[in-house]
Amino acid sequence: SAVISQKPSRDICQRGTSLTIQCQVDSQVTMMFWYRQQPGQSLTLIATANQGSEATYESGFVIDKFPISRPNLTFSTLTVSNMSPEDSSIYLCSVEDFGEGGNEQFFGPGTRLTVL
Amino acid sequence: KQEVTQIPAALSVPEGENLVLNCSFTDSAIYNLQWFRQDPGKGLTSLLLIQSSQREQTSGRLNASLDKSSGRSTLYIAASQPGDSATYLCAVGTASGYALNFGKGTSLLVTP
Repeated sequence: SAVISQKPSRDICQRGTSLTIQCQVDSQVTMMFWYRQQPGQSLTLIATANQGSEATYESGFVIDKFPISRPNLTFSTLTVSNMSPEDSSIYLCSVEDFGEGGNEQFFGPGTRLTVL
Repeated sequence: KQEVTQIPAALSVPEGENLVLNCSFTDSAIYNLQWFRQDPGKGLTSLLLIQSSQREQTSGRLNASLDKSSGRSTLYIAASQPGDSATYLCAVGTASGYALNFGKGTSLLVTP
């Protein structure tokens, strides 16, 4: 099963700035997913990132606000641009990998972002 | 679009009780279903994975069942402990290579 790390684990940022979140996987995976979890809410998919192609964004999320890179099969970045307090959330990356019971999704520890 | 609902939203039980968390989904054509645990401010830990062809999975004190035809899954926790206090999330996969659809979770508090 995949082991995922994220950097930074948390950050406090000023409005109008940008933050890039890194996601590293210990094995090669085809699909990587970026989710947002706003305070007290469940997870919402931001985009799906394939290596070698542009990310596919969900309704309500745009590339200018959340640019994503996927340079290889083990790494991806999500940038939160021109931040506002409404962007304060936990950002999580996940991958689909083959576990004991079949294909399942594994999640990183998350990046807790606070925008002042 | 697959809608996932979890009931109850919050639950408080004394230590030692057995409890059931419920998850329902609107489209029975699922690929798999996962139960996750999330501690405050943390990421998700996968607890159990049920493939669409399976009826249940067990891990220690946890048992998850799946009834695709009725669009329901339950997570049974036996002999609850204070360390089980967390938010439990149900997530449905519609196909391999696609993201999961999450419920809003059940916040569980087990009191000593």
